[in-house]
Amino acid sequence: AQSVTQPDIHITVSEGASLELRCNYSYGATPYLFWYVQSPGQGLQLLLKYFSGDTLVQGIKGFEAEFKRSQSSFNLRKPSVHWSDAAEYFCAVASTGNQFYFGTGTSLTVIP
Amino acid sequence: EAQVTQNPRYLITVTGKKLTVTCSQNMNHEYMSWYRQDPGLGLRQIYYSMNVEVTDKGDVPEGYKVSRKEKRNFPLILESPSPNQTSLYFCASSQTSGRGEQYFGPGTRLTVT
Repeated sequence: AQSVTQPDIHITVSEGASLELRCNYSYGATPYLFWYVQSPGQGLQLLLKYFSGDTLVQGIKGFEAEFKRSQSSFNLRKPSVHWSDAAEYFCAVASTGNQFYFGTGTSLTVIP
Repeated sequence: EAQVTQNPRYLITVTGKKLTVTCSQNMNHEYMSWYRQDPGLGLRQIYYSMNVEVTDKGDVPEGYKVSRKEKRNFPLILESPSPNQTSLYFCASSQTSGRGEQYFGPGTRLTVT
């Protein structure tokens, strides 16, 4: 069965510091991977996605993610975090059958 | 403006009283889906629809029904709500499939007492 694991429930970083949010997936075929962000009281917004090709994908708001098949990982990174990046981040995988699986999320706090 | 709308945004109801949460999108998207979000569990897919009259179960379909009679609408029906269905519900749509970018509605917070 497909699954997504986000091992960090909560992360705190200082503004201007780098950020890496971890995501591991379990899926038999080539995965379709996504990162979504949810700001407080809001719906979800797509940050980036990976289907195939270059394993380093660029997204909106200065985020990037790297797909590593050998590690079944799709970690999200940002070189310099801004206070406005404080939000909840969800990794997700889509199956060939069009089902969608989210991780449990990582809550990001940014310290001024 | 391209958007997914949900109504109501907030609802408090009692056990066993049938309710419907509406979802509508104005982007002519083929794919629509319902999720519930619970603390510590992330979002879990309830049902999804690839097109009119085509619906499939997601991960947690028990206690829910859906219908897709028109392309733009995808209502979520709770025939006999129970307290364990208290949750934050999101509707989403995508142009072609679950593998495309999904656009999410603002959410419906449901409390069942």
